[in-house]
Amino acid sequence: DAKTTQPNSMESNEEEPVHLPCNHSTISGTDYIHWYRQLPSQGPEYVIHGLTSNVNNRMASLAIAEDRKSSTLILHRATLRDAAVYYCILRDPLGFGNEKLTFGTGTRLTIIP
Amino acid sequence: DVKVTQSSRYLVKRTGEKVFLECVQDMDHENMFWYRQDPGLGLRLIYFSYDVKMKEKGDIPEGYSVSREKKERFSLILESASTNQTSMYLCASRSPTVNRPSGNTIYFGEGSWLTVV
Repeated sequence: DAKTTQPNSMESNEEEPVHLPCNHSTISGTDYIHWYRQLPSQGPEYVIHGLTSNVNNRMASLAIAEDRKSSTLILHRATLRDAAVYYCILRDPLGFGNEKLTFGTGTRLTIIP
Repeated sequence: DVKVTQSSRYLVKRTGEKVFLECVQDMDHENMFWYRQDPGLGLRLIYFSYDVKMKEKGDIPEGYSVSREKKERFSLILESASTNQTSMYLCASRSPTVNRPSGNTIYFGEGSWLTVV
């Protein structure tokens, strides 16, 4: 399984942009990059995903390197509610439904008021 | 709204007890998963099931078993609870990737905090 590497923790000031990096140097050509986040005392929730092109949605933006070996989740204006653990995972669409989903330790984002 | 419901939010059990953690999803998803989460170790996959009566071992299956008799329900069983199984347990579900190439959203329950004394 292709692995991802993320920093253990990051801090950011409230109302400033946050860039959360993820390295996935062994990514295959068919893997999608997904991001989830886990708020305190809750299960993880979906944030965004992409394949090659940069993606935007109401929660965040995803910037994917040209060689796809890394990606960055961008929170444009962090709020205290964005304090969470952020997970970057790779999803193989050719898994024929038997895909084992593994999450790493993620990045714990702290927002400073 | 889609929902994954874990039957117990907080449980305290004694060493050696048999423990059942129940998970129900209302999205008609084929795939269901059980994870445990411990400080500094992230989410670790215990077992997953890609359809009714199907099950596959995850990364840390020892000391656990599962049951998937109905599509909507996936149970995690601790045959003889031990203190090192004190943890937060998360259930998740999704539709099979084969139907949507980008991979379907994974939905998680709120978690079950188990303390074994």
